[in-house]
Order: sequence, then structure tokens, then C-alpha cells
Amino acid sequence: DGGITQSPKYLFRKEGQNVTLSCEQNLNHDAMYWYRQDPGQGLRLIYYSQIVNDFQKGDIAEGYSVSREKKESFPLTVTSAQKNPTAFYLCASSIPGQAYEQYFGPGTRLTVT
Amino acid sequence: KNQVEQSPQSLIILEGKNCTLQCNYTVSPFSNLRWYKQDTGRGPVSLTIMTFSENTKSNGRYTATLDADTKQSSLHITASQLSDSASYICVVSYYTGNQFYFGTGTSLTVIP
Repeated sequence: DGGITQSPKYLFRKEGQNVTLSCEQNLNHDAMYWYRQDPGQGLRLIYYSQIVNDFQKGDIAEGYSVSREKKESFPLTVTSAQKNPTAFYLCASSIPGQAYEQYFGPGTRLTVT
Repeated sequence: KNQVEQSPQSLIILEGKNCTLQCNYTVSPFSNLRWYKQDTGRGPVSLTIMTFSENTKSNGRYTATLDADTKQSSLHITASQLSDSASYICVVSYYTGNQFYFGTGTSLTVIP
């Protein structure tokens, strides 16, 4: 799990509620990412941030929002507009540029009923 | 379209046996190729990383190979252990270094 922490590990919410997933890293990495993992599918990019106060939409950003006010933190909010929010969410960080790998957090499993 | 395909989707082997997992990709040009191990309910952990100029990389009982001409990579696991039971994910980075393409993974089960 490296120097990336995600909390909580399990999260349960009622449909229609917004929920925020935490991601903190102490690796001094500039780039941070949020992925969603569903059974039988590869990781899909939700949002990424190359630098503080800047972030870009990934492939499946609809229904999600992020902020990057500090280098160490990249919280993800799953809004009520996300039609199928139940999934395993993974946060990652990396040093931007070639040949640098991503380090992943332990993940948060979100269940919305 | 940039894609990464892994095979087989799932594999069951006896403890102590060797196995090889495959990864074919169409990402071009690419920067590096990585193999991750993901235990159930946990985040992926890096096993190997290879740039386009490398053709083999080892990490203990794990050996990855890369053929950049045919755009194929394999992960060979030697003398499997029960703790090797996990999903193995192949990830290819676009040449910019900040776009990552993930395979759907191979689920490996090692039985006693």
C-alpha cells in the first residue's frame, strides 16, 4: 500500500446521498489519480491531478467531483448524479513523466443501497 | 484504439507448479509496461516495470518478459505458493508517461 492511505475501507450510503472518499499520500508525488474497479473490468480513470489546484476529467467523470487543495490530499466525492456508484475505488499517485510507476492505496469499497 | 488484453481470464494451478500469464497491447508509442499483483479487496502492488528497451525483469519468483516488436508481455511465476493467489494486472503507459491502459487481469488460484 506504500505511502497512500484511503479511508474508510468500507462505506455504506443510501441512494441520493453524496459521499466523500479520502485519499492522502506522503510520497511527495505531484500526480494523483482516482480509479473505479468493477468485477471483470479493468481499472477506469475517474479524475486525475498533475499539480495542486488543477485536475482533469478521466474516462468516467460524470457523477463525480474532486478537489486538490493540498499536494498530499485528493478527495473524491461521489454525487447523487452517479447512476451506479457501488464499486471499489482506488486512489493512486505517481511522479509525472516516463517510467515512473503508480503507487496505489488500499481502496475503499462503496456500497449504495 | 489503445488496448491491453490479458489471458487467460482465470487460472488454477497446483502449489509448486509454474505458470505464465500473457498480456497483449496495442498502445503505441508506449513508455513502460508494468505488472501488478492485486489481492482480493486490496490495492494493486507493483511486481515489475519495464521500459520499451528492456526485454526481461525479475522480482524473486516473478519474471516478466517484453517483446516490443510483437507488443506482447508475459509474467512467469516459478514454484507457485498459496500466497500467489491473486489477480495479476498488466498496465501499459502511453509515451507521455501519464496515460495508463489497464488490462482486465488474470485471476490466479493456487491450490494445495
